[in-house]
Amino acid sequence: QVQLVESGGGVVQPGGSLRLACAASGFTFNTYGMHWVRQAPGKGLEWVAFLRYDGTNKYYVNSVKGRFTISRDNSKNTLYLQMNSLRAEDTAVYYCAKEYDSVIGYYSFDYWGQGTLVTVSS
Amino acid sequence: QSALTQPASVSGSPGQSITISCTGTSSDIGGYKHVSWYQQHPGKAPKLMIYEVSNWPSGVSHRFSGSKSGNTASLTISGLQPEDEADYYCSSYTGSTTLVVFGGGTKLTVL
Repeated sequence: QVQLVESGGGVVQPGGSLRLACAASGFTFNTYGMHWVRQAPGKGLEWVAFLRYDGTNKYYVNSVKGRFTISRDNSKNTLYLQMNSLRAEDTAVYYCAKEYDSVIGYYSFDYWGQGTLVTVSS
Repeated sequence: QSALTQPASVSGSPGQSITISCTGTSSDIGGYKHVSWYQQHPGKAPKLMIYEVSNWPSGVSHRFSGSKSGNTASLTISGLQPEDEADYYCSSYTGSTTLVVFGGGTKLTVL
């Protein structure tokens, strides 16, 4: 069965960095686009970033452009999110999510990880 | 790219039907069929309920149905059940570098 397991969250000071990882299993990872979505405490969902199956074509929400970098290692079935220059407003649970279809871009997320909490605080 | 607009809360009694609206613009909902709906129970990850406006992923109850008219999408839940009580989010492809935008979420209470 499909599993997505995030790791790497924690408490970091403003201006600091963290790298999140998402270990995937149960599907052919190297044929699916992958996303990061976050949810601030008590708030709604916010799409953060997308990476095509082959590691090309990266997209980001405006608020993280230039600070966050999405990447993947298809040999390790793992998605990453490098987060630099972190701000208090980046505090959230970060989910990795799998694209619904490997061929057609539906921009729907059919499997989600359990999330990892990132807290930016001094 | 602004968030899509959803009502903060809706409620209904078991067995009834409710509809949650999701309003965007011609740059998102109105321009594409890539509209999805997610259900999220407290402390859990979201679950995909509807994709491409009105399609069901495998295993999702057909009590949930989706539609779209102009810049507004809707999720209808028929035959409300207590386990339907959750937060519901819509999302849409935007065609911009901010690929996807979500709605603010709607809390469904089953009375």
